[in-house]
Amino acid sequence: KAGVTQTPRYLIKTRGQQVTLSCSPISGHRSVSWYQQTPGQGLQFLFEYFSETQRNKGNFPGRFSGRQFSNSRSEMNVSTLELGDSALYLCASSYSVPVGLAGGNIAKNIQYFGAGTRLSVL
Amino acid sequence: KQEVTQIPAALSVPEGENLVLNCSFTDSAIYNLQWFRQDPGKGLTSLLLIQSSQREQTSGRLNASLDKSSGRSTLYIAASQPGDSATYLCAVRPASGTYKYIFGTGTRLKVLA
Repeated sequence: KAGVTQTPRYLIKTRGQQVTLSCSPISGHRSVSWYQQTPGQGLQFLFEYFSETQRNKGNFPGRFSGRQFSNSRSEMNVSTLELGDSALYLCASSYSVPVGLAGGNIAKNIQYFGAGTRLSVL
Repeated sequence: KQEVTQIPAALSVPEGENLVLNCSFTDSAIYNLQWFRQDPGKGLTSLLLIQSSQREQTSGRLNASLDKSSGRSTLYIAASQPGDSATYLCAVRPASGTYKYIFGTGTRLKVLA
């Protein structure tokens, strides 16, 4: 089955511009999470969506926003880009069915990551 | 605040050696812990997921253990191969009803042929 698809793979923007990144999860997965990866800070959680609802948000400024559509595809938007926003942006999908609930097991909590979008802000 | 630490930051071993990667976390209230592998310029691949109630998980040459009370997890790689060269990351999902993972900074492994 197809994996997590992120588009575009590479982006070059200038300061002050805005950008939209897209993530298509594995078919059947309803949870999509976004992470920012930089050499200095490592992987940091941005937000998580499940069935079009944001369930968690990380400690990022309001310039970072996201949404999820009814087909579970997700987008994240960064407005007024800064140099420090240059990073690899990763999304991950999972079934997210708690262990202990009907149909829940460990495998359904495994996170599957896309290849990422590398954003460079000049 | 949960913090995840991985030691060592980098490791270079000859092919065939058995090795252990370490992961420490400060808050034992976790839902699960995952080990991932990341190849340069690529996304992450989940290797093993250990639920909070489990002590270990195994997949092929990989074995991950979890000791919640001491805040530690180890990833054991048997008979290492050059293809195992990658960065290994552990990530903890807190038990407090959140859906985020907190990642360690990773161990960069190089297996020499």
